[in-house]
Amino acid sequence: GAVVSQHPSRVICKSGTSVKIECRSLDFQATTMFWYRQFPKQSLMLMATSNEGSKATYEQGVEKDKFLINHASLTLSTLTVTSAHPEDSSFYICSARGGLAVNYEQYFGPGTRLTVT
Amino acid sequence: ELKVEQNPLFLSMQEGKNYTIYCNYSTTSDRLYWYRQDPGKSLESLFVLLSNGAVKQEGRLMASLDTKARLSTLHITAAVHDLSATYFCAVDILRDDKIIFGKGTRLHILP
Repeated sequence: GAVVSQHPSRVICKSGTSVKIECRSLDFQATTMFWYRQFPKQSLMLMATSNEGSKATYEQGVEKDKFLINHASLTLSTLTVTSAHPEDSSFYICSARGGLAVNYEQYFGPGTRLTVT
Repeated sequence: ELKVEQNPLFLSMQEGKNYTIYCNYSTTSDRLYWYRQDPGKSLESLFVLLSNGAVKQEGRLMASLDTKARLSTLHITAAVHDLSATYFCAVDILRDDKIIFGKGTRLHILP
């Protein structure tokens, strides 16, 4: 089946630094990639949707200058958390939607746990 | 605004019992997903339901979809401890290119 990878799986950074998370679709081309954030014991909250070569669409309340999304190719999207603060600590999950070949299904990455100290 | 409501949000049950998790959504959807999440892990896809009346079964889990009622159910038959996890339903709207999740149901099965 379709596989989505995320890197790193876990990262600890100091407050004020930036962190980049990569999301790759390994065996299919993703028409769209999605970034979610999940706090402990809560549901997934959609942060933004990105398409290759165009600007990401951010959900209401998500700061686009803080969470920079770059969708460089049909298999790679990156999320950069800029000037991270402890409240940004969370589990970040990406997903990728394939095209007709996979019936437009969405496949989830394994997640990245970010801890900001 | 699309809303996806799951209930119950927390369920503690004995092994061997049957139970149903409900997922209501507020607008027309192209498909509905059920996922399982174990602590500290990402999502595991359980079912994709595409059309009205769809029913899918895998082991002790069975999912159904009623698009007219905008309702999906996840039924657990003769629960076993290994099914303890959080279960999410999610509604996919292709025209908006987004998937919205319910709040999840934390299922705890007592041995």
